[in-house]
Amino acid sequence: DQQVKQNSPSLSVQEGRISILNCDYTNSMFDYFLWYKKYPAEGPTFLISISSIKDKNEDGRFTVFLNKSAKHLSLHIVPSQPGDSAVYFCAASAGGTSYGKLTFGQGTILTVHP
Amino acid sequence: DGGITQSPKYLFRKEGQNVTLSCEQNLNHDAMYWYRQDPGQGLRLIYYSQIVNDFQKGDIAEGYSVSREKKESFPLTVTSAQKNPTAFYLCASSLDQGSGNTIYFGEGSWLTVV
Repeated sequence: DQQVKQNSPSLSVQEGRISILNCDYTNSMFDYFLWYKKYPAEGPTFLISISSIKDKNEDGRFTVFLNKSAKHLSLHIVPSQPGDSAVYFCAASAGGTSYGKLTFGQGTILTVHP
Repeated sequence: DGGITQSPKYLFRKEGQNVTLSCEQNLNHDAMYWYRQDPGQGLRLIYYSQIVNDFQKGDIAEGYSVSREKKESFPLTVTSAQKNPTAFYLCASSLDQGSGNTIYFGEGSWLTVV
């Protein structure tokens, strides 16, 4: 039962353009969402998060949008840079004592071409 | 520098052997976690611990064991009962399991069964 899904295994964009990574979830108990960036053979690095009480959170070039009714979130990277090329994971956690236990999507490989 | 240190980075195990992966954090985080990543998949939770001397099974705990004798340490033992142990293992920690806390990851350990 895949509760968090990233349906696009890969995404290729040109440097300077916008990258949009998508994530869908099925568990309505999830109320905190995070995006992580990961290089091969390294641990994931936290990028940005959003609480379910918000629908948008911005941090520099990264913006996360949350559509609770559609159970969908997306990460926008503007402008995209070659150094952004990595695997991006979305993750979700539920409230109460489940905070900290993250459920991850399968990841999307982003390639930014110079 | 504060962070999460995993060792060894690469480990080879013979069939039928137990091996222990080390995880140490100096972030003064209360909660610690072990995740496993297989190729093309997201991270799956093996075990987590909210406080010293307490830990809980995650989604794929069979064939693994942990201990939490000290706040800063959360070693993972991959036992011979684990049928498919070859994977990338990630240790993580967070301040506590309160609302919206971000999980931070170590650099990971590669385990290969030979």
